[in-house]
Amino acid sequence: DQQVKQNSPSLSVQEGRISILNCDYTNSMFDYFLWYKKYPAEGPTFLISISSIKDKNEDGRFTVFLNKSAKHLSLHIVPSQPGDSAVYFCAASLGGSARQLTFGSGTQLTVLP
Amino acid sequence: NAGVTQTPKFQVLKTGQSMTLQCAQDMNHEYMSWYRQDPGMGLRLIHYSVGAGITDQGEVPNGYNVSRSTTEDFPLRLLSAAPSQTSVYFCASSPGLGTGELFFGEGSRLTVL
Repeated sequence: DQQVKQNSPSLSVQEGRISILNCDYTNSMFDYFLWYKKYPAEGPTFLISISSIKDKNEDGRFTVFLNKSAKHLSLHIVPSQPGDSAVYFCAASLGGSARQLTFGSGTQLTVLP
Repeated sequence: NAGVTQTPKFQVLKTGQSMTLQCAQDMNHEYMSWYRQDPGMGLRLIHYSVGAGITDQGEVPNGYNVSRSTTEDFPLRLLSAAPSQTSVYFCASSPGLGTGELFFGEGSRLTVL
């Protein structure tokens, strides 16, 4: 039973528009959430994170929103660029610990020029 | 800036053969881990280590052994390969348990026939 779920395997958006990637989790003990980006033939790279004491964190074009009551987080990319085309994984942890990182199955984002 | 280095990048094995996936990091990170990525499953934790001489099991440890004799190296051993171990393997490291931010290698694609 997956504790972190990304229900959309793929998403396509036009360049310049907003991309919204969603993630749901079932374990209410998770207190730190991260997004990783992965290009083909490369390892995942850290993108942005959010602590459970916040509901929003922004870094340039990337914003992560956390809705604890719904156990839902989302990643917004504005404006989307072709170079953003990648697989995005959401991950959750307990106590900010790297040893307890649980990943979702990923969403393939394609930004169309 | 080598970061996390994995070798080999590709390997084909026959059922029952053994092999070792190598992982080395030059960032003096205490924490290292191995994940496997399978379609529709995200990344799942195999084994991890919080420092030299200390290892522990993750979510899917069966069929794999690890050791951590130095801070830099964290090899993953497949004792008797099975087709179910066909996967892409990622090694990751982190400077500590605080943030959960992992730095990943480029991955090793293993096929077991």
